[in-house]
Amino acid sequence: KNEVEQSPQNLTAQEGEFITINCSYSVGISALHWLQQHPGGGIVSLFMLSSGKKKHGRLIATINIQEKHSSLHITASHPRDSAVYICAVRSISGSRLTFGEGTQLTVNP
Amino acid sequence: DTGVSQNPRHKITKRGQNVTFRCDPISEHNRLYWYRQTLGQGPEFLTYFQNEAQLEKSRLLSDRFSAERPKGSFSTLEIQRTEQGDSAMYLCASSSIKGRGFSYTFGSGTRLTVV
Repeated sequence: KNEVEQSPQNLTAQEGEFITINCSYSVGISALHWLQQHPGGGIVSLFMLSSGKKKHGRLIATINIQEKHSSLHITASHPRDSAVYICAVRSISGSRLTFGEGTQLTVNP
Repeated sequence: DTGVSQNPRHKITKRGQNVTFRCDPISEHNRLYWYRQTLGQGPEFLTYFQNEAQLEKSRLLSDRFSAERPKGSFSTLEIQRTEQGDSAMYLCASSSIKGRGFSYTFGSGTRLTVV
């Protein structure tokens, strides 16, 4: 079993829909990162969370430390949101990241 | 500072050849990481440096792989005697802790194809 599990693996939505991507992890962490990866490979950091909730524009990320679970929400989705969204956890002992396998999001116009 | 820079962006090499990739981190970041990502998978940790010291290496980093960060600035990742299974995206990231903030930035990656 992977230390970081994401669901769903693939998600197709219509423009304007509310989207949720889930991440569960099984190890102790110092923080959880949500990342966005576009074709071509570059990774952009969206959020870093150690508790509670963060919001940036149409994106919201939440984390429940007790349940070892985080969600990434996208409100009013748009085709430009189409990308792979990756959850990654940062270990307590160091700063390296352990990644989930990613969620491929496609938003159709 | 333009972020984390990786060169080359793409590399095609014949099996058995050696390749070297370079990563230039954000200048004030003291930690530098190498990750490998195969198609359809999330990145996997390879190694990381704090300044010039290599502090951790994954078991994925076989003896054909070596990484250096000689002056605590840029880093190189060398793969000797490349194999087709080495084909992947090699990602570099750097991080620092400033004040109460933790900053983690990725490069655009080097895509290696071994033919």
